[in-house]
Amino acid sequence: DVKVTQSSRYLVKRTGEKVFLECVQDMDHENMFWYRQDPGLGLRLIYFSYDVKMKEKGDIPEGYSVSREKKERFSLILESASTNQTSMYLCASSLSSLSTDTQYFGPGTRLTVL
Amino acid sequence: DAKTTQPPSMDCAEGRAANLPCNHSTISGNEYVYWYRQIHSQGPQYIIHGLKNNETNEMASLIITEDRKSSTLILPHATLRDTAVYYCIAVKTSYDKVIFGPGTSLSVIP
Repeated sequence: DVKVTQSSRYLVKRTGEKVFLECVQDMDHENMFWYRQDPGLGLRLIYFSYDVKMKEKGDIPEGYSVSREKKERFSLILESASTNQTSMYLCASSLSSLSTDTQYFGPGTRLTVL
Repeated sequence: DAKTTQPPSMDCAEGRAANLPCNHSTISGNEYVYWYRQIHSQGPQYIIHGLKNNETNEMASLIITEDRKSSTLILPHATLRDTAVYYCIAVKTSYDKVIFGPGTSLSVIP
């Protein structure tokens, strides 16, 4: 079974802090994704990566950056956290870049920015 | 990808079949119908997908109408653990991103 793990289930940070959210997958998947999920807005894609050191912007990249130094690890960085970044953050991976490849999700990180 | 429309919420009695509808009237011939679900406080989980034929696996059955304009996900004997948000997505073989809509919130009632 594919396993996608996220470093924290719950995180509380202060405005202006730099925040790192880590995601690791154990199935040698090429593609990895970061989404945020807010009530009434569904899942929105922040960034995705189709290979090591490669990244593509999703629908809402502003205020975020990502890093993929190793195939199995994809990090989401909030350079200076703001209260409007309080949300549930979901990481996912898929075998390749094809949209028909099943996405496997981690359990999510609920981030609160005070 | 084609837009899908789902009812925002549904109830189902425990032990009964849960039938979740999805409308995808603009689906094209090469678009698959995918279903995921998201149990509270967890990430979405793949359930099943199909193109034209009905599909069944250990989790659910997928019935796609002959004209492919709609489909139904069937959970044959719903349990309380099936309470979740169910997402129906039309996906074509491409490198486009997948868009998750609001889904249907299914409540299984004892």
